[in-house]
Amino acid sequence: EAGVAQSPRYKIIEKRQSVAFWCNPISGHATLYWYQQILGQGPKLLIQFQNNGVVDDSQLPKDRFSAERLKGVDSTLKIQPAKLEDSAVYLCASSSFRDRGLIGELFFGEGSRLTVL
Amino acid sequence: RKEVEQDPGPFNVPEGATVAFNCTYSNSASQSFFWYRQDCRKEPKLLMSVYSSGNEDGRFTAQLNRASQYISLLIRDSKLSDSATYLCVVNKTDVSGGGADGLTFGKGTHLIIQP
Repeated sequence: EAGVAQSPRYKIIEKRQSVAFWCNPISGHATLYWYQQILGQGPKLLIQFQNNGVVDDSQLPKDRFSAERLKGVDSTLKIQPAKLEDSAVYLCASSSFRDRGLIGELFFGEGSRLTVL
Repeated sequence: RKEVEQDPGPFNVPEGATVAFNCTYSNSASQSFFWYRQDCRKEPKLLMSVYSSGNEDGRFTAQLNRASQYISLLIRDSKLSDSATYLCVVNKTDVSGGGADGLTFGKGTHLIIQP
């Protein structure tokens, strides 16, 4: 079974530029998450999709970050304009099970490492 | 109080020792609890789920104390390959099935097993 695919693996940009990350979850997984992991910290949830609808984007900095999952499969996360503090690994994860507060295993992609200069 | 709080370590222990990690969480309505493992520059992977009755998987034992909002992980007979960061993970509170229930990660506890 193919895992969660992400691209690009690495990206270096200057502040105020824009960047986009792509994620393809495990086939059949309805729930998709984007997490931001800053060095030395645990992953922080940015946005959660159920199929193509947003369940939670309370921690997404909406003035500069946007995400979509138009057909309920692939997802993109965009940052525009980037700031120095956006340097982090952006992890996409998917899960097949979610029911009344019970969450199944999250399968993570390898992540997209962003450096903002 | 932080949503999920862990001692960051690092814990330096000799091979073969027993080591225990603790974690506290702030929201009493949380229902799903996990330990994830993250190797250096790799993605997190599920180590084990944590159940109210406590559960064991080989050398690993997880315990949940709902009254104290406390989760623990015990590793017996530690191996060099156990060196990693261990992330305590708890879901958010909306249990309606249609609301926010993404997983909240602690900062992680860094474990180093020494030969």
